[in-house]
Amino acid sequence: EAGVAQSPRYKIIEKRQSVAFWCNPISGHATLYWYQQILGQGPKLLIQFQNNGVVDDSQLPKDRFSAERLKGVDSTLKIQPAKLEDSAVYLCASSLGFGAGGQETQYFGPGTRLLVL
Amino acid sequence: KQEVTQIPAALSVPEGENLVLNCSFTDSAIYNLQWFRQDPGKGLTSLLLIQSSQREQTSGRLNASLDKSSGRSTLYIAASQPGDSATYLCAVGGLNRDDKIIFGKGTRLHILP
Repeated sequence: EAGVAQSPRYKIIEKRQSVAFWCNPISGHATLYWYQQILGQGPKLLIQFQNNGVVDDSQLPKDRFSAERLKGVDSTLKIQPAKLEDSAVYLCASSLGFGAGGQETQYFGPGTRLLVL
Repeated sequence: KQEVTQIPAALSVPEGENLVLNCSFTDSAIYNLQWFRQDPGKGLTSLLLIQSSQREQTSGRLNASLDKSSGRSTLYIAASQPGDSATYLCAVGGLNRDDKIIFGKGTRLHILP
């Protein structure tokens, strides 16, 4: 079974530029999560999708971050414009069912490491 | 608001020793607790998941215990090996449908050959 795929693996941009990350979850998984992990911290949930609907985006900085999951499969996360404090690893995860985020086994991708200069 | 704490932040032990990693949480009303491993530049791999009704889970050289009433979990690693070097994170799942999984900051473990 293929795991969660993410690209790119690394990205360096200057502040105020835009960047987009892509995630392909495990086939058949209904729920997809985007996390932000700042160096030395645990991951923080940015947004959770069930199929192509948003379940939780309460911690997403909506003035600069956006995400979509068209057709309920792949997802993209965009930052526009980027700030220095956005430097972090962006992790995508997926889970099989429709349970609450803390109740389902989540499978994580390798992450995209973003550096904003 | 649930808070998850992991102490120490970093730990170095000689190869072959048994060791314990600690995790504490402030709200005992949890659905489950998970231990994850994160290697540098990699994503998270789930090691053990303990449901709130369970006291412990074992997988190979790993044993995780849960004491919900005291808000504590431990991850025991037997006969440590250099390949165990990684960051170990614990995460707590809430009871309510809109609860997020809450992660600790992790313990960075280094096994000395």
